[in-house]
This record gives sequence, structure tokens and C-alpha cells, in this order.
Amino acid sequence: QSVLTQPPSVSGAPGQRVTISCTGSSSNIGAGYDVHWYQQVPGTAPKLLIYDNSNRPSGVPDRFSGSKSGTSASLAITGLQAEDEADYYCQSYDSSLSGSRVFGGGTKLTVL
Amino acid sequence: EVQLVQSGAEVKKTGESLKISCKGSGYRFTSYWIGWVRQMPGKGLEWMGSIYPGDSDTRYSPSFQGQVTISADKSISTAYLQWSSLKASDSAMYYCARSFGYGDSALGYWGQGTLVTVSS
Repeated sequence: QSVLTQPPSVSGAPGQRVTISCTGSSSNIGAGYDVHWYQQVPGTAPKLLIYDNSNRPSGVPDRFSGSKSGTSASLAITGLQAEDEADYYCQSYDSSLSGSRVFGGGTKLTVL
Repeated sequence: EVQLVQSGAEVKKTGESLKISCKGSGYRFTSYWIGWVRQMPGKGLEWMGSIYPGDSDTRYSPSFQGQVTISADKSISTAYLQWSSLKASDSAMYYCARSFGYGDSALGYWGQGTLVTVSS
């Protein structure tokens, strides 16, 4: 059972907007720790998508955006494209685990 | 260009020892944290621990403390993950990843992964 909870799956048609939630608690996201998001296309290594809650590394399209509020964070993807079909993971830190890095369970995005 | 190149796939027997590697290039190896992440077949990502090669400061996830050892040789810009006695449950893909910025921050650069298969 992951410390950070994500929906197992989400889906959307090309061009649509989808959001993926990441729900934590007062010992991780709610404690003020940053949230990062990763994209993993099956069979490949994960890729950093959003860092420090809402920042995009160079090369990541602005269709991807992140936000954080209270004990939760969200990843939004607009203008959905077939190439966005992948697994998405949120990651933060948890004070009850000595500040250890913790991942969400992952969300499978299907582009219909 | 930042690159992390991991050692090749391994097939081992239960009880054997193993050390896999992750060689960094294209940046100052001693200035950025390197973390190790496990992904069991069909499962999600699990952080195992991280090391700062500059002074070998090492942090472990409570789930992996005592189960693995993380080390680094800054003279050859290489980080390591090792087991003293493998179990079948150690079969997984293992990724190394470098922090995006200074500090133990987001994992911004990833190796290609090392598949470890352990059988009896």
C-alpha cells in the first residue's frame, strides 16, 4: 500500500484534458514537501515531467502542468495525444519515514 | 549531456551476492545525489536509497535498510547497489537516477535500468 494514493487508471480521447490526483497526508504533501511527477512509457525508464510541484524541465510540453494544495497534488494534461499513453507516478517525501522519498502507486493513462 | 549508464542484466541464484553499477558522465559526479529505484514486474516505483558521491552521505528507505548497500567510487564516477545474499523476491528492474538539481531533489536523469533475475 503506497503512502501516496493515485487512481489506478484514467482515460481520455485525443484532444481532451485529464487530471491525475495524488493524495497524501499531513506527514508528506501536507507537511509542505514538494511533489514531483514522472512519466513511464512501458518498457522504458521513467522520465521527470514536473518538479517542485509545478515546474517543467526543459523539453516537457506545456500541455503538462502540476499543482499542489493541502495534502494533495494533481497532474493535468491538456490536448491529449496518443504518445501520452503511459504510467504516471507522483513522488514526495514523508516525515514519518525519516524524510524518505515516497512514490504513489502509479496511474495508467489510456488514450482512447 | 548528462548520461547514466548501468551495468547489464544479471541472472543469479538465491543466496549469491551481486553488485550492479551506474556510471555517470557529462556532469560533476561529486555534486549531485544518485538514487536507486526498484520496479518489480508489473508494479510501481520504489525508492531504495540515495548517495551523495561527494562525501558518501547515504540515505536508505526503511524498507531497504539492511537489505542492500549503496556505495560510490568518485574516482570512476560510478555508483553501486549491492546485495550480500539474494532472494527470489529481489528479481526486479533496478534504475539509478541523478537528482535534477543540487540537493536530494527530483530524479531528473535516469539510467536505462538493470534487470536482475534471481532463481533457486
